[in-house]
Order: sequence, then structure tokens, then C-alpha cells
Amino acid sequence: DVKVTQSSRYLVKRTGEKVFLECVQDMDHENMFWYRQDPGLGLRLIYFSYDVKMKEKGDIPEGYSVSREKKERFSLILESASTNQTSMYLCASSGAGIPGAFFGQGTRLTVV
Amino acid sequence: GIQVEQSPPDLILQEGANSTLRCNFSDSVNNLQWFHQNPWGQLINLFYIPSGTKQNGRLSATTVATERYSLLYISSSQTTDSGVYFCAVERRAAGNKLTFGGGTRVLVKP
Repeated sequence: DVKVTQSSRYLVKRTGEKVFLECVQDMDHENMFWYRQDPGLGLRLIYFSYDVKMKEKGDIPEGYSVSREKKERFSLILESASTNQTSMYLCASSGAGIPGAFFGQGTRLTVV
Repeated sequence: GIQVEQSPPDLILQEGANSTLRCNFSDSVNNLQWFHQNPWGQLINLFYIPSGTKQNGRLSATTVATERYSLLYISSSQTTDSGVYFCAVERRAAGNKLTFGGGTRVLVKP
């Protein structure tokens, strides 16, 4: 089974903090993605990566950065958390082998 | 970019009923997936179905790529089928990223 694991299920951070969300996959997938999900706005792509050290902006990259130093790990970084970044964050991976994208369990981030 | 529309937005079913969810997309796609989002927020893969028909238990899906739509069928619905169903499409020209529809929220009443 494909396993995508996000480091936290729930997270509460203060405005201005630097926040790291970690995602690890065990399928040797080339592609990894970060989405955020908000009521009424659906799932929106923040950043994605198709290889180690490679990254591309998605639809809403402002206020975020990413890091992919190893193939299995993709980190989302909130440089200075703000209340409008309170959301559900979902990580996914895809690649050769089992077709399709697979998601982690999600991280519900609250910025106070 | 590609547009993905799902209908209906909301669906209330009595346990045991059958239903059809629809996903329309505005351009040709390489892949299409259906997901079920459980109450804890995780997206569970249901089908990877760029074309044709697949079945998995009480669920089945059909994609007609030439006409740019996909259907998800739920038969003999159960309360555990409640949740939000998403379709998502992938275009290789867009870098293998998934574009999601707005989802169909399903509530199955006992």
C-alpha cells in the first residue's frame, strides 16, 4: 500500500511564527504536492515538486515556500504565519508504479 | 486552465438508495480520479479511471473521455458512504498536477 504521512494531524501556531509542515511518502514517487482546502473554495494547489530540489508554484504560492532535499520528503514552510493561513493542508504524491495520486491524512492548522 | 465541475453539489439519500454523481471537465485529460473525503479529512482513492468503466463493490465509475465527463455510481447506499466525493483530473501538459472539482457532499440517512 502507498503510504503518505503528514507530520501532524492538528497544529496551533501564533501569528508571525515560522511553521513547517512535513510530508513523507514511501513509494519512491517523483511528484509531490501541497494543497490547501477551505470551505467554499475547494482544494487549491500551493506548490508541487517533480524531483529532488525541483519545485514549481501552484495556484496560490504567496506566503509559502517548500523544500525537497530528499525524494521521499516534501516540506511546506509558512515563513510568517498569518490568520488567513488557517486551513486544512493536504500532501499528495504520484509517480511510476501504482497509477494515481495518493494523499496524506491532512493537517488542520490554526493560526491565532 | 482546465475547469472541473461536479453535480449535484449536495445529495441526501435514504439508506439503500442508488445515486449518480457527475464530473464534467473542459479539456482533454490524461487521467481522472475519484476520491472520498472521510469525516477526518483524508482523501481516500476510489478510482483511477482515465477512460472506461470500473467497479469496486457497491461503487462503480465510468469515464467517457471523448465527451469529457465521468460518472460515479453508488448502489445500495450505506451511512458510511456519507462524506464529500471529489473528482480530479490530470493533464500531462500541466505538469501532472491534479485539478479538483468542487465536490459533491453526500449524506446518507438511516
